[in-house]
Amino acid sequence: KAGVTQTPRYLIKTRGQQVTLSCSPISGHRSVSWYQQTPGQGLQFLFEYFSETQRNKGNFPGRFSGRQFSNSRSEMNVSTLELGDSALYLCASSLVASGGGATDTQYFGPGTRLTVL
Amino acid sequence: AQKVTQAQTEISVVEKEDVTLDCVYETRDTTYYLFWYKQPPSGELVFLIRRNSFDEQNEISGRYSWNFQKSTSSFNFTITASQVVDSAVYFCALSEATDSWGKLQFGAGTQVVVTP
Repeated sequence: KAGVTQTPRYLIKTRGQQVTLSCSPISGHRSVSWYQQTPGQGLQFLFEYFSETQRNKGNFPGRFSGRQFSNSRSEMNVSTLELGDSALYLCASSLVASGGGATDTQYFGPGTRLTVL
Repeated sequence: AQKVTQAQTEISVVEKEDVTLDCVYETRDTTYYLFWYKQPPSGELVFLIRRNSFDEQNEISGRYSWNFQKSTSSFNFTITASQVVDSAVYFCALSEATDSWGKLQFGAGTQVVVTP
């Protein structure tokens, strides 16, 4: 079974631009979570989607948004990019984020490395 | 407040030595899950182990073992007979029932360097 895929893998943008990152979960997985990883802040939770609904959101400004489609694929968007948005953005999927059993383990994609100049 | 603390920033060992990674967590939930992930230089987080709050039984899986103690809120992870391929950053993570299961809270990570 194919793993979590993320596109693009690398991205270079300039300040003020916007960017859209894409995540395709493992087949059958319905929950998708996004994380930002930076050297200074470490791994931080951005948001989680389940059945096209945002179930939880981390402490990030409104410039960060996301959505999930009916096929469970997810996108995240960052508008008005700032230098501090340079990071590795990781997407993870789990079978059903229901709180029970081994199915709730999150499996991560390879990430999208965003550089803001 | 940091809910997951990994006090060790970096551990360097010679191949075949054992490595123990410490993780201390904080939660008020009675139902929660703890995880260990490995991040090699390629960047992808690789799932290693998972434990729920109701199961304190410690296990061994191949060269990996873990010690979960609710009394001290610790979830330590050991690599036995380390190999060069074990060199990576290891993250401990917490998922709580009152939050959403889709949210992992990570520690700062411990860099493990295994030299031949």
